[in-house]
Amino acid sequence: DAGVTQSPTHLIKTRGQQVTLRCSPKSGHDTVSWYQQALGQGPQFIFQYYEEEERQRGNFPDRFSGHQFPNYSSELNVNALLLGDSALYLCASSVDTSAYNEQFFGPGTRLTVL
Amino acid sequence: AQTVTQSQPEMSVQEAETVTLSCTYDTSESDYYLFWYKQPPSRQMILVIRQEAYKQQNATENRFSVNFQKAAKSFSLKISDSQLGDAAMYFCAYISDSGTYKYIFGTGTRLKVLA
Repeated sequence: DAGVTQSPTHLIKTRGQQVTLRCSPKSGHDTVSWYQQALGQGPQFIFQYYEEEERQRGNFPDRFSGHQFPNYSSELNVNALLLGDSALYLCASSVDTSAYNEQFFGPGTRLTVL
Repeated sequence: AQTVTQSQPEMSVQEAETVTLSCTYDTSESDYYLFWYKQPPSRQMILVIRQEAYKQQNATENRFSVNFQKAAKSFSLKISDSQLGDAAMYFCAYISDSGTYKYIFGTGTRLKVLA
């Protein structure tokens, strides 16, 4: 049973560019959350997708957007990249009906903005 | 707003010894869940242990146990018989039971295990 997978593993972009990160949830999971983890910090919640809609959003600007597909996979898009967007981006999947929304994390995508 | 604080940026423990990692949180909710996650150098967050706030009994998972003090809003993790494979970043996390979906994480504690 494959767990949560993310692609790419690493990515280097320059300021002003746009980036798309991808996530495939664990088999049987229907909900995807995205987190940003800056160096030396804990993960910060960006948003959660369920039934192809953004269900809840953290304190992130509109430059951060997402999408969920009918097969439950998800994309995170970041426009107009800033140096401060350099971070590890974690995807977590869960089952909507689970208690405390138990989340299973992927290995992350390391984004470096130059 | 809820917050989670981990005041120990780094801890060291001798192999086979016991170590305790601290976590405090702030919330006005009465129903919530608390977690400890482990993040090894491979970066993948792994759930170590969870605690339901409505349960008075402290959770245990093999060598891992918690000391949950609800009134003090404290949630520490004790690792017994420490092993080299326990070396990692440990994050304390909180989620309300009130219909929110976001986990709130602390800043983490780096645990070093000395041979």
